[in-house]
Amino acid sequence: GAVVSQHPSRVICKSGTSVKIECRSLDFQATTMFWYRQFPKKSLMLMATSNEGSKATYEQGVEKDKFLINHASLTLSTLTVTSAHPEDSSFYICSAREPGQVNTEAFFGQGTRLTVV
Amino acid sequence: QKEVEQDPGPLSVPEGAIVSLNCTYSNSAFQYFMWYRQYSRKGPELLMYTYSSGNKEDGRFTAQVDKSSKYISLFIRDSQPSDSATYLCAMIKAAGNKLTFGGGTRVLVKP
Repeated sequence: GAVVSQHPSRVICKSGTSVKIECRSLDFQATTMFWYRQFPKKSLMLMATSNEGSKATYEQGVEKDKFLINHASLTLSTLTVTSAHPEDSSFYICSAREPGQVNTEAFFGQGTRLTVV
Repeated sequence: QKEVEQDPGPLSVPEGAIVSLNCTYSNSAFQYFMWYRQYSRKGPELLMYTYSSGNKEDGRFTAQVDKSSKYISLFIRDSQPSDSATYLCAMIKAAGNKLTFGGGTRVLVKP
């Protein structure tokens, strides 16, 4: 199946700094990528939908200026957590789907565990 | 009330037993139903998806959807210790819409 790669898998940063997480589709072009957040023992919560070449669509309650999303190419989307605080510590997961595929067929990355100290 | 409810478990079964998982939902507009497996500190992996009501079988996995009851199930036959993971159900109203996830059920298969 298609592969979606996230980097880094784990990151620890100091409070007040920014962290960038990359999501790459390795063997297909992804016109749409999704960013999720998952708290321990909780479900995935969609943060935003990222479309190549256009602005991301954020879910209600997600701060656009806090979580910057860039989808500059068909194989790469980035999530930047700006001025991170301990409450931003979480597991961030991206998914991507090929053009013409339905969202049921999106593939997930392996996730990034962010710890803000 | 959450749109999709799932018992968090943990559900502990002996190796070889049948694992039975389920989700209930409140919105009748959901049309596509998915089951994902998620190992600790990893991203979800799609196991099966079903459109509308009915059954679907793939190897040791069987997915059932009962739209009249707003209830979906996943059965894992001949369970193995490697099946120990969190299983998430997810639903979608139409092909282009966002996924709505259940909270996940943690499954432990003991050797």
